[in-house]
Amino acid sequence: QVQLQESGPGLVKPSETLSLTCTVSGGSISSYYWTWIRQPPGKGLECIGYIYYSGSTNYNPSLKSRVTISVDTSKNHFSLKLNSMTAADTAVYYCARVVVTPLYYMDVWGKGTTVTVSS
Amino acid sequence: DIQMTQSPSSLSASVGDRVTITCRASQSISRNLNWYQQKPGKAPKLLVYAASSLQSGVPSRFSGSGSGTDFTLTISSLQPEDFATYSCQQSYTTPLTFGGGTKVEIK
Repeated sequence: QVQLQESGPGLVKPSETLSLTCTVSGGSISSYYWTWIRQPPGKGLECIGYIYYSGSTNYNPSLKSRVTISVDTSKNHFSLKLNSMTAADTAVYYCARVVVTPLYYMDVWGKGTTVTVSS
Repeated sequence: DIQMTQSPSSLSASVGDRVTITCRASQSISRNLNWYQQKPGKAPKLLVYAASSLQSGVPSRFSGSGSGTDFTLTISSLQPEDFATYSCQQSYTTPLTFGGGTKVEIK
């Protein structure tokens, strides 16, 4: 069965860029959409954006100026870059698979990785 | 953005109780509504997609209904493992947005 694993630094300094990778195992990254979602402490879930395996992307307008999501099909992983980090970006970051038929939903999730923004 | 409002934000219930959680969208989203369960320190788990379709492996005591702007998630007989936070999510348009969550606690 498909499993997702986030990796990346747990601590980022203010103004720096966060880089996370989500590795897909047990299945191919092809033919699916993939998404990054975050959850600030004690708050709800926020979709950062998603990417098709072909590379087309869709970003949340609230983060669009700071976000880049990319995919590497040869490594079966996709990545998130979020620049100009502030304390407000402190959150648990999840990657997930997006099913689009019949409708969009996230059926497989990574365990999440905690990112703290602090100097 | 489409705003998703859940009610109540929390509730206390006993094992065996019937529990209903409501989710309201700020505009019509047809049946583009999903429900997730999240336990402390864990990732969300998909329960229901397309308003009423039960995800594979999810117990039949969970059910979803609704269309347009008003949706419900019902747990017919609450079990000990069901104490968790439940969130709705609309997939009608981007950005995909979530409700604030409903925490189901033990009475």
